[in-house]
Amino acid sequence: AQSVTQPDIHITVSEGASLELRCNYSYGATPYLFWYVQSPGQGLQLLLKYFSGDTLVQGIKGFEAEFKRSQSSFNLRKPSVHWSDAAEYFCAVANTGGFKTIFGAGTRLFVKA
Amino acid sequence: GAVVSQHPSWVICKSGTSVKIECRSLDFQATTMFWYRQFPKQSLMLMATSNEGSKATYEQGVEKDKFLINHASLTLSTLTVTSAHPEDSSFYICSARTRVWDEETQYFGPGTRLLVL
Repeated sequence: AQSVTQPDIHITVSEGASLELRCNYSYGATPYLFWYVQSPGQGLQLLLKYFSGDTLVQGIKGFEAEFKRSQSSFNLRKPSVHWSDAAEYFCAVANTGGFKTIFGAGTRLFVKA
Repeated sequence: GAVVSQHPSWVICKSGTSVKIECRSLDFQATTMFWYRQFPKQSLMLMATSNEGSKATYEQGVEKDKFLINHASLTLSTLTVTSAHPEDSSFYICSARTRVWDEETQYFGPGTRLLVL
């Protein structure tokens, strides 16, 4: 069965500092991988996704993620964090057949001035 | 880009009543829609997968008689919370699956916040 682990419940970074959010997945085949962001009380916004091809994926808002099959990881990165990036971030994995998406527990990002 | 809407965006109801939440794909046809619920400060938990014209597939632990799902058309799925109780209070999010440029894509609605008194 597919599963997603986000080891960090919350992370605090200074504005302008770099960011890396960790995500590990478990899936028998090559998965579809996603990162979503959710602001308080809001729905989900897709930041980026990986289906195949280049393992370094560029997304919106300056985010990128790298798929590492050997480590079963799909970490999200941003070189310079802005205060508006403070939100909840969810990593997700979907099976390639039915497209059933399973979410990680989420990492809450706090940005300090 | 594709848009998924949910109605209502929030609802307050009395315990014992039923509440219907609509999920619509506005500019595309969705053969499959998904319903999630999210408790405060927690992740999204998949409740069920809804395919147009057939019965929904529920995840383990989700009561199908309590959470009725109907996917009557390629653009509309509804979730009815029957005989709602305070523990059903949650944030319900739907998503719709479609194919864009030969890639499977899933779009999420803005969510419906349900409060049962």
